[in-house]
Amino acid sequence: GENVEQHPSTLSVQEGDSAVIKCTYSDSASNYFPWYKQELGKGPQLIIDIRSNVGEKKDQRIAVTLNKTAKHFSLHITETQPEDSAVYFCAASMDSSASKIIFGSGTRLSIRP
Amino acid sequence: DVKVTQSSRYLVKRTGEKVFLECVQDMDHENMFWYRQDPGLGLRLIYFSYDVKMKEKGDIPEGYSVSREKKERFSLILESASTNQTSMYLCASSLSLTGNTIYFGEGSWLTVV
Repeated sequence: GENVEQHPSTLSVQEGDSAVIKCTYSDSASNYFPWYKQELGKGPQLIIDIRSNVGEKKDQRIAVTLNKTAKHFSLHITETQPEDSAVYFCAASMDSSASKIIFGSGTRLSIRP
Repeated sequence: DVKVTQSSRYLVKRTGEKVFLECVQDMDHENMFWYRQDPGLGLRLIYFSYDVKMKEKGDIPEGYSVSREKKERFSLILESASTNQTSMYLCASSLSLTGNTIYFGEGSWLTVV
């Protein structure tokens, strides 16, 4: 079955700097890769997703890149702000199937003022 | 906005007790899910349901059961709670099993003593 590894487990960056979180997946059939943000005391919320027919997707300060050959995908946050502090989860699934989504172990991002 | 509501945010139960975790969604979604979240392990699927009275095992169903008598309501049941079931439980829903965002509730923190 699918396995998703996420690194780093914790990340601390200076406000205004960029943050990068990386994930690898094992099943080459996976074709849907969402990213979730979980703020303290709340449930995870989808922030961006990418499908395998696209190499990069941007939404304001966040972007996701996908390397299908290497089975890597990454989340990039530029110009980080205090409200970016949260736990971020990557995930992978086939055919965008919600029942078969496998999540990474999470990255706790802290933004230093 | 989609609203997934978990009725109990914090529970403390004794070993051997029967525990019910209730979840309600207000967007007429077909699918509902129960995940368990533990530090360093990400989100692991316990059970999901794609229709009323239908259920499918996820990755870690042992020690749990579920009930979906109405479309909007999905219950997680711990028949005999054990200390290793101390965890954060997340309910979620999605419009369909393919190609749609999963919406999470705020989570239920269960401590079994």
